[in-house]
Amino acid sequence: GDSVTQMEGPVTLSEEAFLTINCTYTATGYPSLFWYVQYPGEGLQLLLKATKADDKGSNKGFEATYRKETTSFHLEKGSVQVSDSAVYFCALSGQFYFGTGTSLTVIP
Amino acid sequence: NAGVTQTPKFQVLKTGQSMTLQCAQDMNHEYMSWYRQDPGMGLRLIHYSVGAGITDQGEVPNGYNVSRSTTEDFPLRLLSAAPSQTSVYFCASSYDKVLKNSPLHFGNGTRLTVT
Repeated sequence: GDSVTQMEGPVTLSEEAFLTINCTYTATGYPSLFWYVQYPGEGLQLLLKATKADDKGSNKGFEATYRKETTSFHLEKGSVQVSDSAVYFCALSGQFYFGTGTSLTVIP
Repeated sequence: NAGVTQTPKFQVLKTGQSMTLQCAQDMNHEYMSWYRQDPGMGLRLIHYSVGAGITDQGEVPNGYNVSRSTTEDFPLRLLSAAPSQTSVYFCASSYDKVLKNSPLHFGNGTRLTVT
C-alpha cells in the first residue's frame, strides 16, 4: 500500500546551518506530495506542496522537489533560524499518509 | 476566520468513561477527518467523512465512533475510554474530497489522558 518514510529525528542545528530532511514514498498512480509543519502546542499547517513530477514547492525559504525517479521529496532550507524549530511531516495525497515527523531544534 | 475549531483542548478521563471530542469548521469543506498523534507513530487516521451523512473507517477506528449530520460538525466519540487512547487528537478538513491537490486544514488538537 501507499506509505511515506521520513528521516528520523531529532535534528539539532545551529542558526544559519543548512537543513535537509529526507522523505521517500511508495504510491500507486501519481500522488501529490506535501510538507506540513507543527509548532509547539499547535496543529499541523501546510508548508509547501508539489502536485506532479519535477515540481518544486517553496515557502518561507524552504524548498522540496518532487522526484519520481527516486520517489523522494526531501525538504531543504539554506539557512535555518531559531523560529524554524518545529516538527516537520511529509505527507502523500489520497488518504494523507503521513511520515512519523522529524523534530528540528535550531540553537542560536 | 476560525477555520477548524476543536474542543476541549485538554481532557482527563477515567478508564471506562465516555466522552465526545468536538470539531467544527466554517470553510464549507466536504471532507473531514480525525487523526491521533502518538510519539514515534506520526499521525494515524481514525475516521473520515466525505460529506454529511457519510462516514468511513481509517487505519485505527476501534473504540471510536463518528457521525456527520451537518457539513460543519464532525464529533468523535469514545465509547469506553482505555489508557491506550491517551493521545493528542486532531481534526482536519479539506475542500477536496479526494484529497488530490488541496491540503488539510488542522485544528489545534485535544490532548486526552486516560487514567
